[in-house]
Amino acid sequence: DQQVKQNSPSLSVQEGRISILNCDYTNSMFDYFLWYKKYPAEGPTFLISISSIKDKNEDGRFTVFLNKSAKHLSLHIVPSQPGDSAVYFCAASASNNDMRFGAGTRLTVKP
Amino acid sequence: DTGVSQDPRHKITKRGQNVTFRCDPISEHNRLYWYRQTLGQGPEFLTYFQNEAQLEKSRLLSDRFSAERPKGSFSTLEIQRTEQGDSAMYLCASSPMGSEKLFFGSGTQLSVL
Repeated sequence: DQQVKQNSPSLSVQEGRISILNCDYTNSMFDYFLWYKKYPAEGPTFLISISSIKDKNEDGRFTVFLNKSAKHLSLHIVPSQPGDSAVYFCAASASNNDMRFGAGTRLTVKP
Repeated sequence: DTGVSQDPRHKITKRGQNVTFRCDPISEHNRLYWYRQTLGQGPEFLTYFQNEAQLEKSRLLSDRFSAERPKGSFSTLEIQRTEQGDSAMYLCASSPMGSEKLFFGSGTQLSVL
């Protein structure tokens, strides 16, 4: 059961522009959402998170937006840099139970 | 290095053989998770431990799979009678109590021939 969906397998943007990665979920019990970044041959690394009591969380160039009514969240990266090129996973959990991941979006930032 | 450590990094085995993977979590983390990832997919939850207690198991974890964390520190994941469909990256992650953030190891890439 795909409770977390990332419908865009890939995204390509120009350096300096904004990258927007999207994620949808189906389980209304999810109350915490995270984005992970993965480089080849490495495990995913935590990037940014948001609790369901918030609708926005910002950390430097990275901002996560949560729309609970639409069961949708997005990750904005601005300005995008070539080093941001990686696979980005959206993840969600319900009350600190097991975390569910989306299939990932491969971001390519072109110089 | 105080990150999550997994051993081996790669494992090639023949169908029907048993394999065992080891995970050493970050030392002060009492939660430990196993995930499996196949090409083009995100990590799929297999099981997790809080200290030595195995609190949840996915239905993906068939009876050929067993995980242990005997002293609440390192964990092992064993797959018996491996099948070609078991070929995947097996990821271990740990987290401290009360934190949603998982710290992942680099994974063990299993290839079943």
